[in-house]
Amino acid sequence: GAVVSQHPSRVICKSGTSVKIECRSLDFQATTMFWYRQFPKQSLMLMATSNEGSKATYEQGVEKDKFLINHASLTLSTLTVTSAHPEDSSFYICSATQGSLETQYFGPGTRLLVL
Amino acid sequence: KNQVEQSPQSLIILEGKNCTLQCNYTVSPFSNLRWYKQDTGRGPVSLTIMTFSENTKSNGRYTATLDADTKQSSLHITASQLSDSASYICVVRPRGSGTYKYIFGTGTRLKVLA
Repeated sequence: GAVVSQHPSRVICKSGTSVKIECRSLDFQATTMFWYRQFPKQSLMLMATSNEGSKATYEQGVEKDKFLINHASLTLSTLTVTSAHPEDSSFYICSATQGSLETQYFGPGTRLLVL
Repeated sequence: KNQVEQSPQSLIILEGKNCTLQCNYTVSPFSNLRWYKQDTGRGPVSLTIMTFSENTKSNGRYTATLDADTKQSSLHITASQLSDSASYICVVRPRGSGTYKYIFGTGTRLKVLA
C-alpha cells in the first residue's frame, strides 16, 4: 500500500515552454502533497505544500507564478513549470500523506531537462 | 549550518563488508527520525523510523540506532550487496503543532564494489 506515482518519469523541453508533472496517490487519499526539487548530489529541497482544494503554500524563494501547483482531488496534484529555463533542469519529487501527516510517501521522481 | 548533518559524504566499500553511516541533528524537540534509501534517479524509500523514545530499529540487513541525548543516529548495513549502492538520507520530523515538514540530511552516497 501507500504507492505514489509520478508522470512523466523524464521530460525534455525547449526553453520557454511549460511542463506539467503529475503526482498521484494510487491506493490512498492524500490530504496533503509536497513538491521537492533535488539538484545533483544534493538533498531534497521542499518547494511547496499543497492541500486538496486550497492554494499551495510555497517555501521562501520559490516563485509561485513560475511553479504552479494544483491539488484538485485527493489523489492528484500537478506541478507546472511555466516558461521553463535551463536552470529549472532538476529532479522533481512529490510526496503524499494521508490523515495525520505523520508519514510522507515519495514518488519515483521526474527528471526535467530544459534545453 | 544544516540541522541534520550526515557523515561521511561518500563511502566506497567492498561487497560483503559492513558499514556504518552517521547522522547528527540539532532539531529539538523531534517526533521521529527516519532513514531513507534513494537510488539514483528514484524517489526515497523508507528503511527505518524511530520515535524519540526508541534506541534501535532493524529492517533486514539495515539497523538504525538513536541516541536522543547526544542527538546522534547511525545506520549500520551488514553484509553489503551491490544493490546497496545508493544515497542514504537521514530525515528528522520536528515535534509540535504545525511542524509537519521533514528536515533532510545532506545524505551519504554509498558505493559497493564487487
